Amino acid sequence: GAGVSQSPRYKVAKRGQDVALRCDPISGHVSLFWYQQALGQGPEFLTYFQNEAQLDKSGLPSDRFFAERPEGSVSTLKIQRTQQEDSAVYLCASSLGNAGQIGNQPQHFGDGTRLSIL
Amino acid sequence: AQTVTQSQPEMSVQEAETVTLSCTYDTSESNYYLFWYKQPPSRQMILVIRQEAYKQQNATENRFSVNFQKAAKSFSLKISDSQLGDTAMYFCAFSYSGAGSYQLTFGKGTKLSVIP
Repeated sequence: GAGVSQSPRYKVAKRGQDVALRCDPISGHVSLFWYQQALGQGPEFLTYFQNEAQLDKSGLPSDRFFAERPEGSVSTLKIQRTQQEDSAVYLCASSLGNAGQIGNQPQHFGDGTRLSIL
Repeated sequence: AQTVTQSQPEMSVQEAETVTLSCTYDTSESNYYLFWYKQPPSRQMILVIRQEAYKQQNATENRFSVNFQKAAKSFSLKISDSQLGDTAMYFCAFSYSGAGSYQLTFGKGTKLSVIP
């Protein structure tokens, strides 16, 4: 497809389980972002990749959160030992430009994964 | 750190009328970008309009226009001839334009309902 694809669209897990969320960016896009959107809030930045390099992970809320993009295309956000406060929509976005070009190269978002922790 | 404030949690407008959504921001940077994103119930964030801070002219995209007041750090969105498909959450967002700029900082959003 032409857009950013995220899977699964919905994920329900029991507290303490590990989950993995997948993002397929637009082909050729250098930059990839993960955001967390709590109910009724705006998205909050989690982490940024430029190709396969994770240049910023300052937004990851704890060491239970881990993201990778090993070949510079598909990315996976993994959450270990999930907690109820991890329940949110996780949005992935990609952009054609490198860091410093983001203003001229807007971010394109996927539909998100809604994660519910019981 | 940048902050973005949207003071109107919910708004409604009659179809074909005009509505203005407010956004203020706080930053010490002089060069930056401002964005309005639309998020319908499908959840996909769609870029509506973008403004570069160094440009004095307000951006317009068809029925969407902004009123950018740099000194007041205000960036409002005007939607003319509102349509039912405009019903969505609207988020104001900020990105600075220096080297290494990448992340967006979002406001909490305004839920817009267009009433037939």
